[in-house]
Amino acid sequence: DTAVSQTPKYLVTQMGNDKSIKCEQNLGHDTMYWYKQDSKKFLKIMFSYNNKELIINETVPNRFSPKSPDKAHLNLHINSLELGDSAVYFCASSLATNEKLFFGSGTQLSVL
Amino acid sequence: DAKTTQPPSMDCAEGRAANLPCNHSTISGNEYVYWYRQIHSQGPQYIIHGLKNNETNEMASLIITEDRKSSTLILPHATLRDTAVYYCIVRSYNQGGKLIFGQGTELSVKP
Repeated sequence: DTAVSQTPKYLVTQMGNDKSIKCEQNLGHDTMYWYKQDSKKFLKIMFSYNNKELIINETVPNRFSPKSPDKAHLNLHINSLELGDSAVYFCASSLATNEKLFFGSGTQLSVL
Repeated sequence: DAKTTQPPSMDCAEGRAANLPCNHSTISGNEYVYWYRQIHSQGPQYIIHGLKNNETNEMASLIITEDRKSSTLILPHATLRDTAVYYCIVRSYNQGGKLIFGQGTELSVKP
């Protein structure tokens, strides 16, 4: 059983489309995150949710909207996709905000 | 958040110890040193963390200098599967849990 699972693993789409990436964790963690890794391999935090409440929003464009229907899920919806959104997106979770993070295997998004 | 400095790349012979250095000269008293690694095409993986004392687990050892301005991650017997980018991160617990990743050290373990 995968602890933090993301779907899809690969996502290829056209500019201007709207897409979602789903994330689920079966670890019973309270905190979930989205990170973005760009073409230069820099990993940057985008959002963090604790008990379904947004606690970190790192000046991400409002085209990106995270949604946490429950503690085990944190989905990422992206509107009006742009070329610069092409990256690998990682979901992660932790027991609490001061605990180690467990990462998913990533979703490679390619915007054409 | 305190910044970290790591060498961009290192090589290590298989079976030998890999010693990965990290400088964090501006670390604050309440900040922990974390190490993660990212094997190609995978998500980052937690290795170890510490505050002041040296730490050891099944994966690695972490040596933190007395002044806490630098640390070394030690993989005692490196294998080819340890080839990865290793990130040294200084983390404050009042930052909502976020990890700020730098460029890391690309470790190549060679046969």
